[in-house]
Amino acid sequence: GGIITQTPKFLIGQEGQKLTLKCQQNFNHDTMYWYRQDSGKGLRLIYYSITENDLQKGDLSEGYDASREKKSSFSLTVTSAQKNEMAVFLCASSPRWGYQDTQYFGPGTRLLVL
Amino acid sequence: GDSVTQTEGPVTVSESESLIINCTYSATSIAYPNLFWYVRYPGEGLQLLLKVITAGQKGSSRGFEATYNKETTSFHLQKASVQESDSAVYYCALGDMTNSAGNKLTFGIGTRVLVRP
Repeated sequence: GGIITQTPKFLIGQEGQKLTLKCQQNFNHDTMYWYRQDSGKGLRLIYYSITENDLQKGDLSEGYDASREKKSSFSLTVTSAQKNEMAVFLCASSPRWGYQDTQYFGPGTRLLVL
Repeated sequence: GDSVTQTEGPVTVSESESLIINCTYSATSIAYPNLFWYVRYPGEGLQLLLKVITAGQKGSSRGFEATYNKETTSFHLQKASVQESDSAVYYCALGDMTNSAGNKLTFGIGTRVLVRP
């Protein structure tokens, strides 16, 4: 088995601030994902990385940057936090890209912008 | 675009009662939809409950079942007799089988289920 770790668990920021969320997986999976979940909405894909050194934009990439520093880690940066923004960010990984492999999710980072 | 609509929660049921969570999908850009149910138990991360990649087939796990119905574009989740430990948030999701789309999933909003003892 493996595990996905997300840090921090809770993130409180100020309007306009640049905020970074981190994700680590020890499954040795090739592909990693960042999703955003807002209250009353489904998960929406922000960025994904097919393999190390790859970055792909999802449906909700505007306002975010991502970095796949190594195979096991995938970071997401909110480039300028929006006032009163509140959401949960979920990181996921899957063995490969293109085979409908199961995605494994982390526990999430809750963001609140004051 | 592609979308998933599921029962709005919270859904409250008593232990040993039956449960059904409706899920319908619209796959306008997906030729071969795959369908998934994910679940998030309290204090845990989202995890796969079951998946079905072929229309007409049924998936099952932990006493839950869901049948992929292409005619009605539905993938309802059912359990005949729930337990308190089934209290969780359930998400229906739609995926594309073609390799070019990879593992992209479209999720529903989630249905919170509360099972009373």
